[in-house]
Amino acid sequence: AQTVTQSQPEMSVQEAETVTLSCTYDTSESDYYLFWYKQPPSRQMILVIRQEAYKQQNATENRFSVNFQKAAKSFSLKISDSQLGDAAMYFCAPLGGNTPLVFGKGTRLSVIA
Amino acid sequence: NAGVTQTPKFQVLKTGQSMTLQCAQDMNHNSMYWYRQDPGMGLRLIYYSASEGTTDKGEVPNGYNVSRLNKREFSLRLESAAPSQTSVYFCASSRPGVANEKLFFGSGTQLSVL
Repeated sequence: AQTVTQSQPEMSVQEAETVTLSCTYDTSESDYYLFWYKQPPSRQMILVIRQEAYKQQNATENRFSVNFQKAAKSFSLKISDSQLGDAAMYFCAPLGGNTPLVFGKGTRLSVIA
Repeated sequence: NAGVTQTPKFQVLKTGQSMTLQCAQDMNHNSMYWYRQDPGMGLRLIYYSASEGTTDKGEVPNGYNVSRLNKREFSLRLESAAPSQTSVYFCASSRPGVANEKLFFGSGTQLSVL
């Protein structure tokens, strides 16, 4: 089974600046995936970025990148050049074995113009 | 391509009433899930179905039942609604074992129990 901790209930960032959202997890699986999902006020769940645990290279998707520290079981999300549309709830989620996705409690990100 | 379709989008119930939330996916996914989302709690798994004909309890199954009617459809039933079941409910599906596996979510159902 997986557990997830997002220690920052709320964060804020100035437009065009960079912000990092933290996530730590625990899993007994040797092969697993890690996800960051975004939930804007529309309530839609949107996949932001995905990391395979066996890959050493950190995943990057445009302005979004991760810092994956496997030994520390840490999976932080960095948003560069923040935009007003980045304002949302962000959820970290590990997936491993045959168990369903487990979500953290989320971080609410505000973007200040 | 519709993806994951949930109905209804909004529902108000009185305590003790029953209702069924419907979910259907058209992506031929084996696995389907029901989550509930409460403020400050993230998404918590209620039930899931790894494949047609199987269902398993998640983290918060009490007060709910599910039916995997066929590969496309996975319904969630509240037999006797309670105010504690006021929440946003999400259905999701996935195809485990695929290299770029991820969850596909429905748009959610806002349920209020008075």
